[in-house]
Amino acid sequence: DTAVSQTPKYLVTQMGNDKSIKCEQNLGHDTMYWYKQDSKKFLKIMFSYNNKELIINETVPNRFSPKSPDKAHLNLHINSLELGDSAVYFCASSPLPWSTDTQYFGPGTRLTVL
Amino acid sequence: AQRVTQPEKLLSVFKGAPVELKCNYSYSGSPELFWYVQYSRQRLQLLLRHISRESIKGFTADLNKGETSFHLKKPFAQEEDSAMYYCALAEDEGGSEKLVFGKGTKLTVNP
Repeated sequence: DTAVSQTPKYLVTQMGNDKSIKCEQNLGHDTMYWYKQDSKKFLKIMFSYNNKELIINETVPNRFSPKSPDKAHLNLHINSLELGDSAVYFCASSPLPWSTDTQYFGPGTRLTVL
Repeated sequence: AQRVTQPEKLLSVFKGAPVELKCNYSYSGSPELFWYVQYSRQRLQLLLRHISRESIKGFTADLNKGETSFHLKKPFAQEEDSAMYYCALAEDEGGSEKLVFGKGTKLTVNP
């Protein structure tokens, strides 16, 4: 099944821990994104990679570090987790950066920091 | 089962014509719905949310619980409305809510 997949779907962890969320797309897209859904359910862009190169890096704490081992994967690593990091994180991909072709969204990962 | 359905992948209208982008949802609770838009070479941005009952850039969307729809409408389309439009549902997940996206509709407004 062609799709954007994220693992894990749920992540519960203690403050101060380091955790990663993985994203994979098998659509052959060149561009991938990480979004954060905030408490008002608004979606905000965090990072975007095109062909393994970082092209968008919003004002995000440097505890957040994306890693793209190949263009089909964009993982999000978070160091020293804080309570405020609790949110739903969405991965997405598209054929080209910010094109008007469809962005395909993953199912989201709910991160809860205790 | 898909919870947010946008039946039209592509929609093309002429400038000045009315436009309606369809969105149907499947949800047992009280739904909260959004429309997001992405213009060419720009970032995804929130267009409107149903609880605000607002009109943004001439667009409105009314939640119809009987038809489980949240169609986006504009009486007179403009060329600058050409973009990708995503309908999203905030789904309750154990007391918190998570967005679920439709697959998007690409709107082209021709001169």
